[in-house]
Amino acid sequence: KQEVTQIPAALSVPEGENLVLNCSFTDSAIYNLQWFRQDPGKGLTSLLLIQSSQREQTSGRLNASLDKSSGRSTLYIAASQPGDSATYLCAAWSKVGSQGNLIFGKGTKLSVKP
Amino acid sequence: GAVVSQHPSRVICKSGTSVKIECRSLDFQATTMFWYRQFPKQSLMLMATSNEGSKATYEQGVEKDKFLINHASLTLSTLTVTSAHPEDSSFYICSARDPRDNSPLHFGNGTRLTVT
Repeated sequence: KQEVTQIPAALSVPEGENLVLNCSFTDSAIYNLQWFRQDPGKGLTSLLLIQSSQREQTSGRLNASLDKSSGRSTLYIAASQPGDSATYLCAAWSKVGSQGNLIFGKGTKLSVKP
Repeated sequence: GAVVSQHPSRVICKSGTSVKIECRSLDFQATTMFWYRQFPKQSLMLMATSNEGSKATYEQGVEKDKFLINHASLTLSTLTVTSAHPEDSSFYICSARDPRDNSPLHFGNGTRLTVT
C-alpha cells in the first residue's frame, strides 16, 4: 500500500530565503509524482509533474527532484516570497486496483514572512 | 488549458438532507473522474472513481449508498451526499483526466460542505 509522507508539516521562513520541502513514498513503483499548491479553502494548483523516468522538473523559482530508488522527492523554492505562503502537497501516482490513482501526503504548510 | 469546474463552492445544509455536488470538465471529455475528501489537517483521500456510463468504484470504507455518484455524460459527474450528518462536513474535491495530455489529473476548486 502506497503511503506518502511530507516533512515538515509546517515551515515558517523570512522572505527571500531558499527552502526545501520533502516528500517520501513507500512504493517506488510509481507512474509519476506531482507537486500541488493549495490555498486555504481552495482547490489544487498543479506546480510540477515529474514522470517516473525523469529526475527533475523546473518551473520558474521551483525545482522538483525525484529519486525513485530511495522513494524521495524534494521541492526547492528559491527566493521565497509572501505570495508563496500556502500548503504544498506531494502526490504519487500509483497503481491501485485496476487503475492508477494519486496518493497524497498531508502537506507542508508554508508561511513566508515579509 | 484544461479546466475542471466544481459547483457549488460552499454549501450548508441541515442534518438529514441531501446535497448534490457537480463536477464538469469544460474543454475536454473525461471518461474517468475522481472524487476526493479532505478533513482538516488531513491529506486528500480518494473516495471513488467515477466512470462514464458505468458504476463508480468506491474505495474501502466509503459507503456507496450514502455517497451516490453519477457520471451520465463525458463532461459531468455528480456526487450526492445523502442523509447528510455533521461528520460528513468536509472539503470535497473532484478531478478529471484529460486524455489529450500527459498530466494525469486536473482538479476542481472543491466544495466546502457544512452539515448543521
